[in-house]
Amino acid sequence: NAGVTQTPKFQVLKTGQSMTLQCAQDMNHEYMSWYRQDPGMGLRLIHYSVGAGITDQGEVPNGYNVSRSTTEDFPLRLLSAAPSQTSVYFCASSYSYTGALNQPQHFGDGTRLSIL
Amino acid sequence: AQKITQTQPGMFVQEKEAVTLDCTYDTSDQSYGLFWYKQPSSGEMIFLIYQGSYDEQNATEGRYSLNFQKARKSANLVISASQLGDSAMYFCAMREGWEANSKLTFGKGITLSVRP
Repeated sequence: NAGVTQTPKFQVLKTGQSMTLQCAQDMNHEYMSWYRQDPGMGLRLIHYSVGAGITDQGEVPNGYNVSRSTTEDFPLRLLSAAPSQTSVYFCASSYSYTGALNQPQHFGDGTRLSIL
Repeated sequence: AQKITQTQPGMFVQEKEAVTLDCTYDTSDQSYGLFWYKQPSSGEMIFLIYQGSYDEQNATEGRYSLNFQKARKSANLVISASQLGDSAMYFCAMREGWEANSKLTFGKGITLSVRP
């Protein structure tokens, strides 16, 4: 059981380049989310999804796009990378239903992204 | 206003002693859940313990327990019999509301160092 798989683990981009961070989960979780982690800032929510075809913005969505065509996959796209997007990115998933307060989010191992 | 406040910048504890990591939260929802995650230096996010707003007992999971004081809006993590492997960053997080799309909000984290 792989859980949440993120690829790549490391990436260096030049300003203005685009790329997609991949996230896949095999737990049949409805809820998937992307966070960025910066020193002293904790984890901040970028985008999230409660099911295939449904996405919504989190706290820091600017500069990022997402889509959810299947339950398993939730890619994060940077259309034109900026140095401010240098960060560690985490994908997470959990069950999602009314009253699912006690469902912990399961995290991938993270992608360390540097924008030069 | 911050929803999750973790003010201890860094904590030190002697091996085999107990340590308390503080977390206060702010919400107007009656239904919410509180989570603690551990992030070791290797970077992964590990779920430790959960406390629901309606839970009458403090949560416990092995050496981890939660000192939940609802009126004071605090959910402090207690680690008993500290081990060297407990050295890590610890995050408190909250999920508010009964809806399926309720989001998880993280604090900025506390660094714990266990001394031999």
